[in-house]
Amino acid sequence: GEDVEQSLFLSVREGDSSVINCTYTDSSSTYLYWYKQEPGAGLQLLTYIFSNMDMKQDQRLTVLLNKKDKHLSLRIADTQTGDSAIYFCAESIGDYKLSFGAGTTVTVRA
Amino acid sequence: DAGVTQSPTHLIKTRGQQVTLRCSPKSGHDTVSWYQQALGQGPQFIFQYYEEEERQRGNFPDRFSGHQFPNYSSELNVNALLLGDSALYLCASSPDRGLQETQYFGPGTRLLVL
Repeated sequence: GEDVEQSLFLSVREGDSSVINCTYTDSSSTYLYWYKQEPGAGLQLLTYIFSNMDMKQDQRLTVLLNKKDKHLSLRIADTQTGDSAIYFCAESIGDYKLSFGAGTTVTVRA
Repeated sequence: DAGVTQSPTHLIKTRGQQVTLRCSPKSGHDTVSWYQQALGQGPQFIFQYYEEEERQRGNFPDRFSGHQFPNYSSELNVNALLLGDSALYLCASSPDRGLQETQYFGPGTRLLVL
């Protein structure tokens, strides 16, 4: 089945780390993604991880994948006000389709 | 290098009307996917076009149709509009190597059906 779940809201203090969690259902997913959407804008790909990896780090972003539990997380280090946005977790379904969660709204407070 | 472009940016229609949305893929990309994002939700896959054919379709009624042109640009058509069709419609492009290549999204067309 195709069902990606995320918590809806996260509030974090500027300079702290943010951790956004996601669970997915398709064990055959080859790729898992994190997208960012700012108000009134389209989706910006932040990072993705291949399903045979446990971790991927890209500057302030760290992705952790627990394939056994079908759990994906995104850690943003030193969170800034510009990181305030909606973050979507997505899994690949077959070769061509992405299935998205409902998004986590991250609010960064001073 | 222009990324994915979509037109129009906003559109207002009434129930029962028909609408056409347009997408130009990123340079070098030949595959176009369309997604519907209702308010407060994640994008839902509508369909994907490659070589001017619909290659895969999500759970959307036949009122939703599309087209891809030889220059790889694409149109999404929605007939007999319903209030529930109000959403942000996103186009994504990629080269044809499946999801080994990431999909790049355009800014979307916001459709309001009254």
